[in-house]
Amino acid sequence: GDSVTQMEGPVTLSEEAFLTINCTYTATGYPSLFWYVQYPGEGLQLLLKATKADDKGSNKGFEATYRKETTSFHLEKGSVQVSDSAVYFCALTTDSWGKLQFGAGTQVVVTP
Amino acid sequence: GAVVSQHPSRVICKSGTSVKIECRSLDFQATTMFWYRQFPKQSLMLMATSNEGSKATYEQGVEKDKFLINHASLTLSTLTVTSAHPEDSSFYICSAKKTGGAQEQYFGPGTRLTVT
Repeated sequence: GDSVTQMEGPVTLSEEAFLTINCTYTATGYPSLFWYVQYPGEGLQLLLKATKADDKGSNKGFEATYRKETTSFHLEKGSVQVSDSAVYFCALTTDSWGKLQFGAGTQVVVTP
Repeated sequence: GAVVSQHPSRVICKSGTSVKIECRSLDFQATTMFWYRQFPKQSLMLMATSNEGSKATYEQGVEKDKFLINHASLTLSTLTVTSAHPEDSSFYICSAKKTGGAQEQYFGPGTRLTVT
């Protein structure tokens, strides 16, 4: 079946550091890929998405590129802020209903 | 726009009782809603897909008689945990898709259920 594997956390960074969260997937067909973010005490929010190979999703300084050859969708941000502290989930769907398969989530802690 | 609410945010109940959790799309219509369960430090596990006016579709391993889902309107889906037991304690999250919209799901803030 479909699955998503992302790096374990917590990831602790200083403000203005570079952030990478690795995400790889296995899927039948051609999935759409997503990154969701969950800030403390809040629901998941869509951060960015990509629907086909080589697409790059970007939002709030975060980027991720859909790499079909490596089945990856790594999340990057060049300079993190304390406000980026959250749990980040990589997810995919291959389903016409849009059912999501989530990775385990990676907690990111940014210190001043 | 695209706000989803859940009620209650926290609930404690005794073993053997039933608990109802509501999921509402506040500013859009949602033909399809999803219910997830999240264990501590783990990912979200899809429990069921809820479609307005029809029976929910449950994922493999999810007991449909235990987790009753009703999606009676385009803005409300409910999850009832029947005869709850301590192992049902978890964080339950719903999401909703806009009717006629793209694949994006909008998530509620979750409900923490504790069964004593």
